[in-house]
Amino acid sequence: DAGVTQSPTHLIKTRGQQVTLRCSPKSGHDTVSWYQQALGQGPQFIFQYYEEEERQRGNFPDRFSGHQFPNYSSELNVNALLLGDSALYLCASSWRDNLNTEAFFGQGTRLTVV
Amino acid sequence: QKEVEQNSGPLSVPEGAIASLNCTYSDRGSQSFFWYRQYSGKSPELIMFIYSNGDKEDGRFTAQLNKASQYVSLLIRDSQPSDSATYLCAVKISSGSARQLTFGSGTQLTVLP
Repeated sequence: DAGVTQSPTHLIKTRGQQVTLRCSPKSGHDTVSWYQQALGQGPQFIFQYYEEEERQRGNFPDRFSGHQFPNYSSELNVNALLLGDSALYLCASSWRDNLNTEAFFGQGTRLTVV
Repeated sequence: QKEVEQNSGPLSVPEGAIASLNCTYSDRGSQSFFWYRQYSGKSPELIMFIYSNGDKEDGRFTAQLNKASQYVSLLIRDSQPSDSATYLCAVKISSGSARQLTFGSGTQLTVLP
């Protein structure tokens, strides 16, 4: 049973460029959430997708956008990259999003903006 | 005021001792609580979750929840060097139509051989 998979694992981009990160949820899961984790900090919620719709967004600018496909996989897009966007980007999947639902993380994508 | 607070540590305990990790939260509407372990350079790994007041045990790990005092803790018995990691406390908060996880900054634990 495959867990949550993310690609790529590492990425180096230049300021101003655009990037797309991908996530396949754990088998049986239908909800995908994206988080940004800066060094030494806890993950910060970016947004959540369920039924191909963005259900909730954290305190992130519109440069961050996403998409969920019919097979529940998801993409995170970041436009006009800034140096401050350098972080570990984590995807978490769950079944629905009940209060007691466990969320499992993928291995993350380490994004470096130079 | 941060929504979820943890002592940043570092916390050092000798091998075989009990490690105690604490977390407080500000939103009284929070209903479920999660502990994740994160090794350096890796992604968070779910250890336990709890949503009822009291204790929940799983092997060497015990999660304790006190909603009246708004704190949740994680005890690790018979600590091993392999337990050395950052422990993240997360609270699930209802926000609009979604329920997002809000994390603390983590407590770095070192278990000394």
